[in-house]
Amino acid sequence: DSGVTQTPKHLITATGQRVTLRCSPRSGDLSVYWYQQSLDQGLQFLIQYYNGEERAKGNILERFSAQQFPDLHSELNLSSLELGDSALYFCASSESSGANTGELFFGEGSRLTVL
Amino acid sequence: AQKVTQAQTEISVVEKEDVTLDCVYETRDTTYYLFWYKQPPSGELVFLIRRNSFDEQNEISGRYSWNFQKSTSSFNFTITASQVVDSAVYFCALSERQRDDKIIFGKGTRLHILP
Repeated sequence: DSGVTQTPKHLITATGQRVTLRCSPRSGDLSVYWYQQSLDQGLQFLIQYYNGEERAKGNILERFSAQQFPDLHSELNLSSLELGDSALYFCASSESSGANTGELFFGEGSRLTVL
Repeated sequence: AQKVTQAQTEISVVEKEDVTLDCVYETRDTTYYLFWYKQPPSGELVFLIRRNSFDEQNEISGRYSWNFQKSTSSFNFTITASQVVDSAVYFCALSERQRDDKIIFGKGTRLHILP
């Protein structure tokens, strides 16, 4: 158990809808990362927050947004969903602001299916 | 540009055989970090190792060993005397010091250990 909690584990929705994925980082970790895993694209970095502030952006679509709250949990909002958004969305946390200083602890992921 | 290539999409070996997973990376940074992560069928990515670019010593941890060669930009992972529990997807990843905000993952190698 990594200590990172993601909800929901599975989500099925229709095109055009909006969903929110939630992540609680490991106790004491200030950084939260979001990754998207799909069969064709592999693991794609979406966005990182550190202590409530956005720190880095990767290949995140404009239809997607995220935030990190004062209690350090994070939410990833996906709107105007398309079939291609079907994927496994991972949250990871780490103690530091920089990804290369240590390991990332990953949650079990939220599997999103868009029909 | 950051890039990680895992040319082996899928490998199958019989239990107790040794297997090597290849990883080739590209970076312009002189200081960088390499990682291996394991994704078992349960889905959660698990950190295995982190190596910085100044440390070319090979590392062994039980049945796992890693061979880092800067001359060929490779960071290969060998499992000795493989076991069925080693069946998983293995990801190689790279983070640059100048871009320490994210870790870039390869597309992964799916390893099947056959009993």
